Amino acid sequence: EPEVTQTPSHQVTQMGQEVILRCVPISNHLYFYWYRQILGQKVEFLVSFYNNEISEKSEIFDDQFSVERPDGSNFTLKIRSTKLEDSAMYFCASSERGLWGTEAFFGQGTRLTVV
Amino acid sequence: GDSVTQMEGPVTLSEEAFLTINCTYTATGYPSLFWYVQYPGEGLQLLLKATKADDKGSNKGFEATYRKETTSFHLEKGSVQVSDSAVYFCALSDPGYALNFGKGTSLLVTP
Repeated sequence: EPEVTQTPSHQVTQMGQEVILRCVPISNHLYFYWYRQILGQKVEFLVSFYNNEISEKSEIFDDQFSVERPDGSNFTLKIRSTKLEDSAMYFCASSERGLWGTEAFFGQGTRLTVV
Repeated sequence: GDSVTQMEGPVTLSEEAFLTINCTYTATGYPSLFWYVQYPGEGLQLLLKATKADDKGSNKGFEATYRKETTSFHLEKGSVQVSDSAVYFCALSDPGYALNFGKGTSLLVTP
C-alpha cells in the first residue's frame, strides 16, 4: 500500500540552527502539506503546496519557514533559525486532489526537539 | 474562523464497552468532516468522513453522523477492542481550505 514517508523520525538541534525535514509523498498525488503538533496541543496547519508553489499558508508559516520540492519525489520543510518553540511533531501529508471531501495521507511524523 | 472542539481525554474503557467521543465544530461554509486515528508510533490515518449534512461515515465498526443542526460529528463504536487504543482526531475542511483539527482524544482500552 502506498504511504507517505518522513525522515528523520527524530531530530535534535540547537537553537538557531537550520533544519530540513524530508518527506516523500505518494507518487501520484499532486497536493502536499505540512502540519505540526506541539506536545499537548492540536494539530496545526502550516502550508499547502500545489503545482510547485505554495497554495495556502497559516500565520505560523512565517519567513523562517520554507518548502521545496527539489525533485520529482521529495518535499521538504526548512526552518532557518530554530527556536525553542519550534519543538513539535511535524507531519507531512499528500492528497490526489484538494482536501475538501478527499483523503489526505499522512506520514509518521518527525519529532523535532530544539535545545 | 473555523474550529473543532472535541472532548478531553484520556478515555479509558474496558473491552467490549460502548465508545462515544464528542466532536463539535464551527464553520462559516459547508465543511467536510473527518475522523483521523493515530496508533502508537504511526502517522495519522483517515478513519471515516462525511461530506454533507446527515451523511454517516463508517469504517472498522466506527460510525459518525454529520449533524448540521447540532454542528456535531460524534464518533461511536458499539464494542471497543484493545487494538482500538489510539488517539482520535476530529477535523473539518471547508472547500479550498486545509484540514482543521481538534486537539485529539486518547483512548485506552483495557482487557
